[in-house]
Amino acid sequence: GAVVSQHPSRVICKSGTSVKIECRSLDFQATTMFWYRQFPKQSLMLMATSNEGSKATYEQGVEKDKFLINHASLTLSTLTVTSAHPEDSSFYICSAPFLETQYFGPGTRLLVL
Amino acid sequence: SQKIEQNSEALNIQEGKTATLTCNYTNYSPAYLQWYRQDPGRGPVFLLLIRENEKEKRKERLKVTFDTTLKQSLFHITASQPADSATYLCALDNQAGTALIFGKGTTLSVSS
Repeated sequence: GAVVSQHPSRVICKSGTSVKIECRSLDFQATTMFWYRQFPKQSLMLMATSNEGSKATYEQGVEKDKFLINHASLTLSTLTVTSAHPEDSSFYICSAPFLETQYFGPGTRLLVL
Repeated sequence: SQKIEQNSEALNIQEGKTATLTCNYTNYSPAYLQWYRQDPGRGPVFLLLIRENEKEKRKERLKVTFDTTLKQSLFHITASQPADSATYLCALDNQAGTALIFGKGTTLSVSS
């Protein structure tokens, strides 16, 4: 099956710093990847769609200047949380479509102190 | 607005029994309905996909039904095991390759 990896799996940072999260499709190419955020006991909420070679598409209410997305190649998308604040602490998950379904990364736990 | 409801937040059953989870949706006409398993602190893992023109799909101990008239899907785990304990998410999309809309999930606990 298709495999998606994320790095890092866990990150703790100070308020005001920036954090970069990588999402890679390991055995398939993905022109599109998706970034989700999940708060405790809540469902996954789509943040943005990452498009290889073009700008990302952000969901309503998601600040594009705060959550920078770069889809540098057909196997890599990055999400940078800029000037992170404690309210940005969450579980960030990426996915990539393959055939008719989506394959998810293992997630990145971000804690902003 | 589009809405997906998994009407049980938690489901507790005994080992060996069949677990049945429900997913209802409104204001949506999905082409696909998918079920995922999510363990604590992990990303969702794909289990089954059913298309709008399919009524039922099976995979080992798993069975999914899809009723587009009732706008409902049922997810069954037969002969449940403690290892089946996890959160199960229902997800919809209207086109392959597009983003998924998720329900909140049902946390299944199977006791031995």
